[in-house]
Parts: sequence; structure tokens; C-alpha cells
Amino acid sequence: DTGVSQDPRHKITKRGQNVTFRCDPISEHNRLYWYRQTLGQGPEFLTYFQNEAQLEKSRLLSDRFSAERPKGSFSTLEIQRTEQGDSAMYLCASSFVGSYSNQPQHFGDGTRLSIL
Amino acid sequence: GEDVEQSLFLSVREGDSSVINCTYTDSSSTYLYWYKQEPGAGLQLLTYIFSNMDMKQDQRLTVLLNKKDKHLSLRIADTQTGDSAIYFCAVPHGGYNKLIFGAGTRLAVHP
Repeated sequence: DTGVSQDPRHKITKRGQNVTFRCDPISEHNRLYWYRQTLGQGPEFLTYFQNEAQLEKSRLLSDRFSAERPKGSFSTLEIQRTEQGDSAMYLCASSFVGSYSNQPQHFGDGTRLSIL
Repeated sequence: GEDVEQSLFLSVREGDSSVINCTYTDSSSTYLYWYKQEPGAGLQLLTYIFSNMDMKQDQRLTVLLNKKDKHLSLRIADTQTGDSAIYFCAVPHGGYNKLIFGAGTRLAVHP
């Protein structure tokens, strides 16, 4: 069990550029979540996958944001035309939930995005 | 929607006990969680409690749950400098168990 892995750890980009983050969940975890955390706040839910299906999106996820989990394993989160307000830590979490199991979410170390 | 409230700061002396409190609004949650975040890092799952329990002890950590008052607390015994961090209470909300977090309690441990 290598834990949830996120890449890159830090991303600095100019306003208007596109960025993509990757998350590798704990193997065999069927659920994958993306959260965003701004300074001094707790994480806020963005979106959620059950295997490859994206089942819920927060109102925080504007049209500039898109997330995929094409084979039900790793996931990517893309932000197009970045804005200053996108500066935050983007956290990925995974868990396994089945008929008789409801495991807690385990988080990666996050990707810190800074928009210049 | 779900709301989770925590006090923002707690300062304790090394060796004393720390108690971090949390209140929430959604009474349908099955599990309630405590996470720890150190500077520049992600969230580390510390412990969790099932909603039909009043108390759970895990080494130096004790979780107390008062369902009637929707109050959750985390007690850390013999607090060490390595316990300095931000502690988040998290409550699942909705059918897919998305977590709703408090703003976090910053614990400072001094000699």
C-alpha cells in the first residue's frame, strides 16, 4: 500500500494557462474524490468518481474545470484558462466502499497551484 | 446543507492534554472523522468513530461523540511538540460520502 500519490506537488503558472494534475489512488480503491483547500480553510468537495463514472460535481466546479478517471484507476483534474482565484491546494482522496465495507478516505499530499 | 464548526486555535503545554471540539448539523452521518494536517502536507487520517458509539480510544487519542448535541471531541493525552498541526473534523454528507470539513483547529504545543 503506497498511499495516494499526486503529481506535481507544486505548479506555478501564469493566468490564462491550462494546468493538469494527476492522482493515483490506493490500488483497488473504487472511489476517488477531488477537494480544494484555500489558505486557512478546510478542504471543500469538488467532484467524485465511483470507478470510472463521475457521479457528483460541486457548484464550485465551473465549466473551466474537468476531471476524468478513464480506466477507473488514476484521475486527472484539468483547469483551463486559469484565474487568480484558482490558487489553492488541490487534494485527492480515495476509499473502498462495498456492500459490507465503508472505508475512510485517505488523502494524498496535494498539488499546490499558484497563479501569477 | 451540512455545517461543521471548530474553534480556530488551541495552545497547550507539552505533556498536558489537548481537547479539540467540533459541532455539526447533519445527524444522519454514520461515521465521523478526525484528520491531521502538517504544514505543506495533505491530510492524515487520525481516527474515526461510528455514530452508534459514544467513545473510542486509540492509544493517546480519545474521541467522544454526543449525538444528541451533535458534538464531537478529540482528546490527545500527553501532548508532544510533534502534535503541533491543524486538526480537522470531517462529517460525510450525501449519498456518496463526500466529506464536509470544519475550518480546522491549529494546535500549538509549547515547552
